[in-house]
Amino acid sequence: GESVGLHLPTLSVQEGDNSIINCAYSNSASDYFIWYKQESGKGPQFIIDIRSNMDKRQGQRVTVLLNKTVKHLSLQIAATQPGDSAVYFCAENSGYSTLTFGKGTMLLVSP
Amino acid sequence: DSGVTQTPKHLITATGQRVTLRCSPRSGDLSVYWYQQSLDQGLQFLIQYYNGEERAKGNILERFSAQQFPDLHSELNLSSLELGDSALYFCASSFVGGNSYNEQFFGPGTRLTVL
Repeated sequence: GESVGLHLPTLSVQEGDNSIINCAYSNSASDYFIWYKQESGKGPQFIIDIRSNMDKRQGQRVTVLLNKTVKHLSLQIAATQPGDSAVYFCAENSGYSTLTFGKGTMLLVSP
Repeated sequence: DSGVTQTPKHLITATGQRVTLRCSPRSGDLSVYWYQQSLDQGLQFLIQYYNGEERAKGNILERFSAQQFPDLHSELNLSSLELGDSALYFCASSFVGGNSYNEQFFGPGTRLTVL
């Protein structure tokens, strides 16, 4: 597959562990924050989003935490599986659904 | 499968040339977005169209242009290509394109290589 970034921060975990991926955002006026997963050779895939008036949102095996005080966003993946291996991007909605993406974190899950 | 289609999947061309990338949004989606993904710049928003009209512009070079047709498919035209234009180009679509956020669905991308 194609690499989307050769110098990305990398998080290596064992299968079954919980993973936490962090992101700092820049625009305090952003109203939505979104996490995307990108597998090699594919386009970004929506995981979960959170409105700026919330501080936590849970999905299936994933939780997003938003700390507006320090402009920080995190994605927690429970019981990480090999299929979770991918690059994860946070994005913020800068208006008119134009998304500003973070640099990405590569998650490597070992069986 | 997101329902967004992009053609071609791969494109190899020479510096100075012009290419056209095509995107068909998900059925029912009115907004189309173009993004460029390169190793050094990451994923960057280029331009958005909503129901045929330009809605928002990002870091799009003057050598690049886009349009959305009445059937809602979109084309991204890249001209006077340079080596640095080599990248993955993604199209995304959403139902609407108003000021509030709407979930975007990404296509599989077009890999452009400029030699």
